[in-house]
Amino acid sequence: EVQLVESGGGLVQPGRSLRLSCAASGFTFDDYAMHWVRQAPGKGLEWVSGISWNSGSIGYADSVKGRFTISRDNAKNSLYLQMNSLRAEDTALYYCAKDMTRVNDAFDIWGQGTMVTVSS
Amino acid sequence: EIVMTQSPATLSVSPGERATLSCRASQSVSSNLAWYQQKPGQAPRLLIYGASTRATGIPARFSGSGSGTEFTLTISSLQSEDFAVYYCQQYNNWPPRNTFGQGTKLEIK
Repeated sequence: EVQLVESGGGLVQPGRSLRLSCAASGFTFDDYAMHWVRQAPGKGLEWVSGISWNSGSIGYADSVKGRFTISRDNAKNSLYLQMNSLRAEDTALYYCAKDMTRVNDAFDIWGQGTMVTVSS
Repeated sequence: EIVMTQSPATLSVSPGERATLSCRASQSVSSNLAWYQQKPGQAPRLLIYGASTRATGIPARFSGSGSGTEFTLTISSLQSEDFAVYYCQQYNNWPPRNTFGQGTKLEIK
């Protein structure tokens, strides 16, 4: 079964850091680009960051550029999001999503998300 | 950044009727456009990619059209399970700078 399982969310104070992980199974992880998408409570979807199959190309939304870092470990079938200098507006459910190709296309598999709450 | 604008924000349609949802890009995204369905408490589900290709397992009543800056998702005969929020997404940039529309809520009339 193709599956993505996110972890690492929680309650964190403004200005602190958090690292999210996404464990992939049921497909050849290093054949596909991967992405993080977030959804604030009651709001729409916001693309956060994406990484190509070999980590050769990476992109970020303007709202997180310079604060968040995406990475992947193909040997461990895992995707990561290092989030620094967190703000209240980063509070959201963070989804890991599989791209349909090695570079940038639609997202055909999604995890169930991990919740990040930034509050003092 | 490419801005995606969906209309209407809310669409009220009766079961069995047709629903037409629109998505406009602030600049051309060619056919690099996807549609997703999201139900409460669930992750989004891919419906359409490449502007008009149905994803695996998606019923034929869902169809997508358009290219460039104007796109449409049509649901030909609404079933009860189709009432949800629908998002369009462009993936035209490299390195990735994907963006979503704000969503259209499809509700039962």
